Amino acid sequence: NAGVTQTPKFQVLKTGQSMTLQCAQDMNHEYMSWYRQDPGMGLRLIHYSVGAGITDQGEVPNGYNVSRSTTEDFPLRLLSAAPSQTSVYFCASSYSGYGVTEAFFGQGTRLTVV
Amino acid sequence: KQEVTQIPAALSVPEGENLVLNCSFTDSAIYNLQWFRQDPGKGLTSLLLIQSSQREQTSGRLNASLDKSSGRSTLYIAASQPGDSATYLCAAVRGRSNYKLTFGKGTLLTVNP
Repeated sequence: NAGVTQTPKFQVLKTGQSMTLQCAQDMNHEYMSWYRQDPGMGLRLIHYSVGAGITDQGEVPNGYNVSRSTTEDFPLRLLSAAPSQTSVYFCASSYSGYGVTEAFFGQGTRLTVV
Repeated sequence: KQEVTQIPAALSVPEGENLVLNCSFTDSAIYNLQWFRQDPGKGLTSLLLIQSSQREQTSGRLNASLDKSSGRSTLYIAASQPGDSATYLCAAVRGRSNYKLTFGKGTLLTVNP
């Protein structure tokens, strides 16, 4: 049981480059989210999705794009990387129905922008 | 806007000690509160989830409580072990929007042999 899988685990980008962080879940969860974790700031919500074709902005969305074409996948795109986007990125998924609504997290992608 | 605070930021205890980690939140209209463990350089592992209708949850040596009226949750760890050393995070969910977790900054726990 894979749960939430993020790729890559590590990435170094040059300023201005673009890349896509991949996130996939195999639990048939409707809800998926992206967070970034920075020292002294905790985890902050970037974008989220409540189902295929539906996305919305979180607390820190600038510089990031998302789309959700399938229930399983929720990629995060950096169009023009900046040093301020150096961070650890976590993808999460959760069940949208009634009952236990535990959030499950991937292992993270550590991104450095130089 | 929900704000979540965890005190203390760091805690060092000898092995075998019972300890309590604190989490406070400003908006009592929470749907659930979840405790996570994070090892250095790793992802988040869910420990316990307390729904708003519950007052506590237990898993092995861990017990989490929730008091919505006072805006507080505590994580009790019994008979601590060096393997418990990690950062512990709490996160609150407002309403049923469990795609939006509001996190505290965590408590770094060190259990010394």
